[in-house]
Amino acid sequence: DAMVIQNPRYQVTQFGKPVTLSCSQTLNHNVMYWYQQKSSQAPKLLFHYYDKDFNNEADTPDNFQSRRPNTSFCFLDIRSPGLGDAAMYLCATSRATREGTQYFGPGTRLTVL
Amino acid sequence: GEDVEQSLFLSVREGDSSVINCTYTDSSSTYLYWYKQEPGAGLQLLTYIFSNMDMKQDQRLTVLLNKKDKHLSLRIADTQTGDSAIYFCAENHPPSGGSYIPTFGRGTSLIVHP
Repeated sequence: DAMVIQNPRYQVTQFGKPVTLSCSQTLNHNVMYWYQQKSSQAPKLLFHYYDKDFNNEADTPDNFQSRRPNTSFCFLDIRSPGLGDAAMYLCATSRATREGTQYFGPGTRLTVL
Repeated sequence: GEDVEQSLFLSVREGDSSVINCTYTDSSSTYLYWYKQEPGAGLQLLTYIFSNMDMKQDQRLTVLLNKKDKHLSLRIADTQTGDSAIYFCAENHPPSGGSYIPTFGRGTSLIVHP
């Protein structure tokens, strides 16, 4: 089945220790998104790729970086995680069309100790 | 600026209808969506409606759109305990960097009790 996969599902890291979250898709969508979601809040868009073009949201901290080596994979790097970065991180994909339905992965729950 | 508002909680009895409401501010929205999120999971698209429609029905789900008032609702008929989840309303905006970027509401937590 075509899908969006995120690994790991749960990630525990220490304060300041870099961490990488991964996302892969079999949908062949050209847009990939990374969201941060904290409890009882809307998903907050961090950045997205349209093909290889990277689009950063204005309020995304520099601590967050992303890589998209090919159509299928996208990575979220948190260079120096702080306690405030503990959250669910959601990856999504879509076609670049007006209808733009997003398909989400199951998320990675990040804990920062 | 763009904003999507939803009430945070809704409690219904099993078998009753649920109505989840949403208001948005961006009149240029083209598509509006309802997503469902179960605990510990990602968001799952339930349904969407194009802005030139005022109603869409899909099995137990009915979406009503009042474009004049910028109001969107999701009605779930015969609500079941498996419908307990958080429901997010979202609107789509014209391209940013070539792709449409949705704005999500904070989600409505639907609690279904026997």
